[in-house]
Amino acid sequence: SQTIHQWPATLVQPVGSPLSLECTVEGTSNPNLYWYRQAAGRGLQLLFYSVGIGQISSEVPQNLSASRPQDRQFILSSKKLLLSDSGFYLCAWSGLGETQYFGPGTRLLVL
Amino acid sequence: QKEVEQDPGPLSVPEGAIVSLNCTYSNSAFQYFMWYRQYSRKGPELLMYTYSSGNKEDGRFTAQVDKSSKYISLFIRDSQPSDSATYLCAMSRANFGNEKLTFGTGTRLTIIP
Repeated sequence: SQTIHQWPATLVQPVGSPLSLECTVEGTSNPNLYWYRQAAGRGLQLLFYSVGIGQISSEVPQNLSASRPQDRQFILSSKKLLLSDSGFYLCAWSGLGETQYFGPGTRLLVL
Repeated sequence: QKEVEQDPGPLSVPEGAIVSLNCTYSNSAFQYFMWYRQYSRKGPELLMYTYSSGNKEDGRFTAQVDKSSKYISLFIRDSQPSDSATYLCAMSRANFGNEKLTFGTGTRLTIIP
């Protein structure tokens, strides 16, 4: 069966510091991968999605970037965090003809 | 106007009651409909996945889609305290792997023992 991992689970970072969040999927090949941010009362906002290694589509212009260095690895990064980057970050995967399955999430607090 | 509208609640019902959760949408191109359950500080978990209009049942859960009214529902029978969570509806135009999902903002449900 497929599993999706995210780490860290919780992160507290100062404004202006860099960020790296990692997501990995097990038990499947060539998944589509997604990064979402969830803010209280605002639902899920799609940030990036990837259909293959090195292929990244950005949905919202922002302070963040994404990379996919390996088939089942998806990384969310920032060079300098802003206060507004605080939130709950979710990684998701989907296979051919399937809907999306979410990871456990990373809670980011920027101070 | 948002593409998907969902009453945020909160909704509190006694244990054993039937719960009805609903979403309305405006885009008639949506064909695939999902319900996710999200416990506090956890990732959303897929509960139901349906295509087009009709009903789908899985244990105590029934998903209902009425495309003519652009209205979807999730019914929970014999509700349990463990059903207390936020329920998110989602929908898409196709089931291709990279098709984007459009989410409701979620309804927070509490089942009172």
